Amino acid sequence: NAGVTQTPKFQVLKTGQSMTLQCAQDMNHEYMSWYRQDPGMGLRLIHYSVGAGITDQGEVPNGYNVSRSTTEDFPLRLLSAAPSQTSVYFCASRTGTSGGGWAQYFGPGTRLLVL
Amino acid sequence: AQSVAQPEDQVNVAEGNPLTVKCTYSVSGNPYLFWYVQYPNRGLQFLLKYITGDNLVKGSYGFEAEFNKSQTSFHLKKPSALVSDSALYFCAVRAGGYQKVTFGTGTKLQVIP
Repeated sequence: NAGVTQTPKFQVLKTGQSMTLQCAQDMNHEYMSWYRQDPGMGLRLIHYSVGAGITDQGEVPNGYNVSRSTTEDFPLRLLSAAPSQTSVYFCASRTGTSGGGWAQYFGPGTRLLVL
Repeated sequence: AQSVAQPEDQVNVAEGNPLTVKCTYSVSGNPYLFWYVQYPNRGLQFLLKYITGDNLVKGSYGFEAEFNKSQTSFHLKKPSALVSDSALYFCAVRAGGYQKVTFGTGTKLQVIP
C-alpha cells in the first residue's frame, strides 16, 4: 500500500492564481480531511469528507473548495490564491465514520508559497 | 467546542532521562485522545491513542501516555529518551460521535546527547 499520497510536494503561486492540491489513498478509508500547518498554530482543519459525495467545512474553509467523487481521491482547490494561504498542507484519512477512536494516516504534505 | 492545550513550546531532556510532554484537553462527553509525532519535512505519524479502559496506554517506540479524567490531561511519557526521539509532538482530541479532530499547537522535543 502506498498509503496517503499528495502532489505536488512544493508549489509557488502568484496571488490570484488557482491550483488543485491532489490527495489519494489506497486503504479504502471513508474519512478524509485536509489540514494546514502554520508555525505556532498546530494543524487546522480546512475541509473533510465522510464518504464519496459528502463533504463539510472545518475550522478554516474560506478560500478553499473540495469535492469527493471517489473513495480514493480528495482534491483541495484554491480558487484565487492569497499570501495568507502560504502554508504546509496535509491530507489525512482514516476508517470508521461513526464512533471509534480511529487514528488518522497523513500524507507527506504539500508546501505552498503564495507570492 | 473541543480544544487541546500543549503548554510547552519546547521540552529539552538529556538522553537516557525520562521525558514528559504535557497535554490538557476540553471536550463534551467522552474523549478520544491521540498523540502524533512529526519528523522534519514529514507528515504526522500516529503514536498512541486512548479510547476507554486502562488509563495508561502504550504506543510505538516505547512511548506511553496517562489519561487523567479529573485533570483532563493526557501526558506523553517515555522512561528513557533517545536522541532519535527529537521531533515535534502533537496531542489531539475528538469527542465521541463527532467527526472533527482538534490538534494542539505542538511541542518540540529536543533530546540532548
